[in-house]
Amino acid sequence: GAVVSQHPSRVICKSGTSVKIECRSLDFQATTMFWYRQFPKQSLMLMATSNEGSKATYEQGVEKDKFLINHASLTLSTLTVTSAHPEDSSFYICSARVLQGGLTEAFFGQGTRLTVV
Amino acid sequence: GESVGLHLPTLSVQEGDNSIINCAYSNSASDYFIWYKQESGKGPQFIIDIRSNMDKRQGQRVTVLLNKTVKHLSLQIAATQPGDSAVYFCAENPRRNQGGKLIFGQGTELSVKP
Repeated sequence: GAVVSQHPSRVICKSGTSVKIECRSLDFQATTMFWYRQFPKQSLMLMATSNEGSKATYEQGVEKDKFLINHASLTLSTLTVTSAHPEDSSFYICSARVLQGGLTEAFFGQGTRLTVV
Repeated sequence: GESVGLHLPTLSVQEGDNSIINCAYSNSASDYFIWYKQESGKGPQFIIDIRSNMDKRQGQRVTVLLNKTVKHLSLQIAATQPGDSAVYFCAENPRRNQGGKLIFGQGTELSVKP
């Protein structure tokens, strides 16, 4: 199957700083990628849809100025957590969907564990 | 953002037994459903999917059942093994041409006792 790679897998940052997470599709092009957030023992919550060459679409309740998304190429989307606070500590996961056999199958990155201290 | 549920139910089974994991979905217009397995510290891994025009689909050791009348999805794992221990999520594709976003269910933590 298609491979989606996230970097870094773990990051620790100080409160008030910004952190950038990268999501790459390694063997396919993705005009659309998705960013999820997951707290311990909870489900994945969709944050936003990243669109190549245009603005991201944010889900209700997600602050666009807090979580900056850039999708500058067909293989890379980045999520920047700005002015991070301890409550932003979470597991961030990206995904991309690929058309295969008439269905679009979603492939996920390995996730990024963010800890804000 | 959209999310379904805040608590993670658990299911404990004996190695070799069959497991049944259930999921209730929210949108009657959803046309595609997927089951994912997530191991600790990793991203979700595709297990099996089903279109809304089907009510059953089988894979290797896994079967997905879809009941659109009550908006219910289940995953059956035959001869459960310790390596099956993980959190299992169902996901729904809310509507055709809605940008391809998936909405995840609450998840179930499966624990397999040797």
